[in-house]
Amino acid sequence: DIVMTQSTLSSPVTLGQPASISCRSSQSLVDSDGNTHLSWLQQRPGQPPRLLIYKISNRFSGVPDRFSGSGAGTDFTLKISRVEAEDVGVYYCMQGTQFPPVSFGQGTKLEIK
Amino acid sequence: QVQLVQSGAEVKKPGASVKVSCKASGYTFIGYYMHWVRQAPGQGLEWMGRINPNSGGTDYAQKFQGRVTMTRDTSITTAYMELSSLRSDDTAVYYCARDHPDAEGTDYWGQGTLVTVSS
Repeated sequence: DIVMTQSTLSSPVTLGQPASISCRSSQSLVDSDGNTHLSWLQQRPGQPPRLLIYKISNRFSGVPDRFSGSGAGTDFTLKISRVEAEDVGVYYCMQGTQFPPVSFGQGTKLEIK
Repeated sequence: QVQLVQSGAEVKKPGASVKVSCKASGYTFIGYYMHWVRQAPGQGLEWMGRINPNSGGTDYAQKFQGRVTMTRDTSITTAYMELSSLRSDDTAVYYCARDHPDAEGTDYWGQGTLVTVSS
């Protein structure tokens, strides 16, 4: 099974400043068609997860453009250009390329200063 | 709009079974796999498996093989997840999540169902 490992944010982020979260997979997430099934989810406190980004960099419906995804192969990044108060929560990367099983990173907590 | 509405919280004794439902609306139910994911208190997300609502075919995570059964009733656009031989470490919020149409993964999620296993 593929293991997903996420970075931690060393300190709370100041409102209006950027934030970046990294995710690394134990194997390449490129499938036989050349697609990479790496998604990012946001989970606000007390809420279910919500899809932000799919296939590395595609924003899901209704997701603000301050969220962006990048990366390739085994290394991926979620960036928030200007953090807002509503961005507080835990962020998960998820892979669906080597399936089953779908696997998730351990989560990265975003706190606001 | 796509909605996934799950059944209410459950309290079960060790050794019992629980069946959680997920009522889908706003899209063609049989056109999208349904995933089940759980989250223990204060912990991360754990994929349990998925069901093809059209055929009823399932894929289960190895960890849950033999204990989990996913079914569906297409007449009422509802998916079910039943977990048997419950233990205290099965205490978690259980989510259903629709398969993404353009990627291997999920898009819309249900609100979650808390299952508490306690004697």
